[in-house]
Amino acid sequence: GNSVTQMEGPVTLSEEAFLTINCTYTATGYPSLFWYVQYPGEGLQLLLKATKADDKGSNKGFEATYRKETTSFHLEKGSVQVSDSAVYFCALQTGANNLFFGTGTRLTVIP
Amino acid sequence: DAGITQSPRHKVTETGTPVTLRCHQTENHRYMYWYRQDPGHGLRLIHYSYGVKDTDKGEVSDGYSVSRSKTEDFLLTLESATSSQTSVYFCAISGTGQGQPQHFGDGTRLSIL
Repeated sequence: GNSVTQMEGPVTLSEEAFLTINCTYTATGYPSLFWYVQYPGEGLQLLLKATKADDKGSNKGFEATYRKETTSFHLEKGSVQVSDSAVYFCALQTGANNLFFGTGTRLTVIP
Repeated sequence: DAGITQSPRHKVTETGTPVTLRCHQTENHRYMYWYRQDPGHGLRLIHYSYGVKDTDKGEVSDGYSVSRSKTEDFLLTLESATSSQTSVYFCAISGTGQGQPQHFGDGTRLSIL
């Protein structure tokens, strides 16, 4: 079956710290992988995506690399800001366009 | 922002009453989805549509029905609401093809007392 396991939160970091949020997946076939971000009171926004092995998605200083050999898609950012405080969701998509989400990781960045 | 409007944004109702949530899109996308978001579960798919009058069940479809009579509108109905259906409901849309991201509305917070 299809499933996503992501790092339990919450995660609290100081401003300018390095961020890693781990995500591993189980999938049939060759899924596309996504990171979404949710700010308080809002819907999910696409942060980045990768559609095949070894692809690197990047946006707003965040990066994630599709690692087929380790079935992982870890999210990283070199220097977080207070404005990055949000809930981050890893997701995979199969051929039917359906998304399977992880449970989310809440990030709080303190000044 | 993708043109997705959910209505209502907030609703409080009583157990046993029918509830309909509406999702309206202006993007002419083929696929539309309804999810519910609950603590500790992430987002779970309720139903989705791949065209007018074409719908299918998701992971947590029991107690829910959907209809899509026009490309732009996707309705989610709780025929007889229960307290376990208290949740935040999100609509999403996407184009066709592997790798097409889904774009989400701002959600409907539904409380069933």
